Amino acid sequence: KAGVTQTPRYLIKTRGQQVTLSCSPISGHRSVSWYQQTPGQGLQFLFEYFSETQRNKGNFPGRFSGRQFSNSRSEMNVSTLELGDSALYLCASSLQQGRNYGYTFGSGTRLTVV
Amino acid sequence: ILNVEQSPQSLHVQEGDSTNFTCSFPSSNFYALHWYRWETAKSPEALFVMTLNGDEKKKGRISATLNTKEGYSYLYIKGSQPEDSATYLCASKDTNAGKSTFGDGTTLTVKP
Repeated sequence: KAGVTQTPRYLIKTRGQQVTLSCSPISGHRSVSWYQQTPGQGLQFLFEYFSETQRNKGNFPGRFSGRQFSNSRSEMNVSTLELGDSALYLCASSLQQGRNYGYTFGSGTRLTVV
Repeated sequence: ILNVEQSPQSLHVQEGDSTNFTCSFPSSNFYALHWYRWETAKSPEALFVMTLNGDEKKKGRISATLNTKEGYSYLYIKGSQPEDSATYLCASKDTNAGKSTFGDGTTLTVKP
């Protein structure tokens, strides 16, 4: 079956612009999480959605937002881009939220802010 | 421990060597611990999901143990191969709806 699909793979934006990233989870997966990785940093949790509801949010400013649709696809939006937002953004999906469920990651979107 | 910590940060071994790394996590409110392997230019790949104190999981030459009381997990690789070269990440989840906190990873390089 198809894996987690993230689009676009690469993106270059100008400071001050906004950007929307998309994530299509594995069919049947209802939980979608987003992570940011910057050079020298580990994966930083952004937010997690389950059944269209944001269940948890990391320590990121309000410029970072997301949503999940009824088909479990998720989008992440970053407004008023800053140079420091340049990063690899990873999406991960899971069948359920329970403790026995691991995550399957997408290939990521590499965002460069200039 | 407030964060998830992994050690060592990097490791270089010869093909055939066995190796192990450590993941330390907050023991209070423990819910689950995940191990991932992240090869360059690929997506992180799930290795193990561990939930019970004393859990031992095995996948081929890779195995992991879990101690939730003291807050650590060990990942072992027996007879390392060059294809094992990757960054190994652990992530701790503290509630059903809680966020997963990742360590910075251990980067393993296996020389032929």
